[in-house]
Amino acid sequence: GAVVSQHPSRVICKSGTSVKIECRSLDFQATTMFWYRQFPKQSLMLMATSNEGSKATYEQGVEKDKFLINHASLTLSTLTVTSAHPEDSSFYICSARVGDPGGTFGSGTRLTVV
Amino acid sequence: GEDVEQSLFLSVREGDSSVINCTYTDSSSTYLYWYKQEPGAGLQLLTYIFSNMDMKQDQRLTVLLNKKDKHLSLRIADTQTGDSAIYFCAESPAGNTPLVFGKGTRLSVIA
Repeated sequence: GAVVSQHPSRVICKSGTSVKIECRSLDFQATTMFWYRQFPKQSLMLMATSNEGSKATYEQGVEKDKFLINHASLTLSTLTVTSAHPEDSSFYICSARVGDPGGTFGSGTRLTVV
Repeated sequence: GEDVEQSLFLSVREGDSSVINCTYTDSSSTYLYWYKQEPGAGLQLLTYIFSNMDMKQDQRLTVLLNKKDKHLSLRIADTQTGDSAIYFCAESPAGNTPLVFGKGTRLSVIA
């Protein structure tokens, strides 16, 4: 089946630095990927929809300048958390839907900003 | 807007059946899903049901859908300790659209 590879799985960074998270579709082409954020013991909140070759669509309340999304190819979407702060610490998950119901999720990235 | 509600906790004894309930609001949802999330991991699609179905069974999993009441349930038969996880209910219309998730139900299985 379809596989989405997400890296890194865990990252610790200093406050003020930037972190890039990658999501790759391994055996299919993903024209659209979704980025979610999950706070501890809470549900997944959609942050943005990433479209290959065009600008991402951000959900209300998500700062586009802080969470930079790039979808330059059909197999790679990246989320960069710029000038990270402790409140950005969270679990970030990407997902791609390619015909299969529900889509395929990456394994998630645990970001800790210290 | 779209909203998915589910109870937050469920505790069952090993070997018993677990039933996790969910309500949703978007009547245009074409598919409804159940995902499992183990600690520190991503989401695993457990099963899904098409909106024109009432029931779907897959080994130990049974999904019931009451479209009139917008109620979805997941029954896990013979619950095992390995079933301990958070279970998310999700809805979406057809097509390349994002899913809307409930807050998740934390299932604890007591040996």
